[in-house]
Amino acid sequence: GGIITQTPKFLIGQEGQKLTLKCQQNFNHDTMYWYRQDSGKGLRLIYYSITENDLQKGDLSEGYDASREKKSSFSLTVTSAQKNEMAVFLCASSIGGPSAETLYFGSGTRLTVL
Amino acid sequence: GDSVTQKEGLVTLTEGLPVMLNCTYQTIYSNAFLFWYVHYLNESPRLLLKSSTDNKRTEHQGFHATLHKSSSSFHLQKSSAQLSDSALYYCALMATGGNNKLTFGQGTVLSVIP
Repeated sequence: GGIITQTPKFLIGQEGQKLTLKCQQNFNHDTMYWYRQDSGKGLRLIYYSITENDLQKGDLSEGYDASREKKSSFSLTVTSAQKNEMAVFLCASSIGGPSAETLYFGSGTRLTVL
Repeated sequence: GDSVTQKEGLVTLTEGLPVMLNCTYQTIYSNAFLFWYVHYLNESPRLLLKSSTDNKRTEHQGFHATLHKSSSSFHLQKSSAQLSDSALYYCALMATGGNNKLTFGQGTVLSVIP
């Protein structure tokens, strides 16, 4: 089996700050995803990547950047943190292209902006 | 675009009673894959069950669901709730022919009490 590791587990930032979240997977999966989890709003796709150096925007990409420099890693940057923002960011991977249905998730990064 | 509706945000049940979590979806594409993901506290979300076959019951870990394309539904059921079933449950849709991205519902928290 494999694992998805997200760092940090908790991230506290200041308004306007640029913040980076990291994700590593050892499944050797091609596709990786970043989702934002908000209570009552489900999981919303921010960015995904179908291979190294590929980036595809999701429904919630505004205010975020992403980078896939290696097959095993996918980072997400909050370009300017919003005051009082609180959310959990979940990284996931899947075996093939975006049509592959089973996602494997990390345990999340919980963001708090003061 | 595609959408998934989970009308209950919170379902509270007494242990031993049957579970039914509602999920309906909308898509213009005929080939729909439906999923239930479960997110236990302090764990990563993981796939519970999935189906793309109309009117066929799918079972896993005591839960079952049947995809009904005529009513665009994929309700999650269990005959007898256990305390350990308390978690956040997401219904998700992937409709091939579209952008092949997974669309999640808003999520339903299931709380099982003694």
